[in-house]
Amino acid sequence: DVKVTQSSRYLVKRTGEKVFLECVQDMDHENMFWYRQDPGLGLRLIYFSYDVKMKEKGDIPEGYSVSREKKERFSLILESASTNQTSMYLCASSLGGPSTEAFFGQGTRLTVV
Amino acid sequence: ILNVEQSPQSLHVQEGDSTNFTCSFPSSNFYALHWYRWETAKSPEALFVMTLNGDEKKKGRISATLNTKEGYSYLYIKGSQPEDSATYLCAFRGSARQLTFGSGTQLTVLP
Repeated sequence: DVKVTQSSRYLVKRTGEKVFLECVQDMDHENMFWYRQDPGLGLRLIYFSYDVKMKEKGDIPEGYSVSREKKERFSLILESASTNQTSMYLCASSLGGPSTEAFFGQGTRLTVV
Repeated sequence: ILNVEQSPQSLHVQEGDSTNFTCSFPSSNFYALHWYRWETAKSPEALFVMTLNGDEKKKGRISATLNTKEGYSYLYIKGSQPEDSATYLCAFRGSARQLTFGSGTQLTVLP
């Protein structure tokens, strides 16, 4: 079974802190994605990566950066956390083709106080 | 930003009712349309991935159709059960590599 693991289920951080959210997949998937989920807005794409060291902005990249140094690991970085980044963050991975399903991690509920 | 819309936003049905939801997406640069089910406290899981105009897929009581020329897909649930209660998400994959989701339809099946 494909496994996508996010480093934390719940996280509380202070405004201005640098926050790292880690995601690891064990199925050698090329694509990895970071989404945030807010009520009524569905899943919004922050960044995605289709290869090691490759990254592309999604629909809402402002305030975030990413790192993909190894194929299995995709990190989301909040450079200076703000209260409007309080949200559920979901990582996903998939094989390279368009008709391959995405597999999701369990999500990280981040609260910025 | 790609426009992927789902309707209705939420739905309450009685156990045994059949129901359907709509996903609309851009009709140009189409590669695939995905459907996911997201149950509370779990991760989203794929139901279907459809690529061809006219595709119909079925898994048990759930089925989906695809019209790429007009940019819509329907998800049908026959004889809804309480365990079908979940948020149903569609996602569009175009020529860019990103997977763009709609805001989902939240289904509640009342016993």
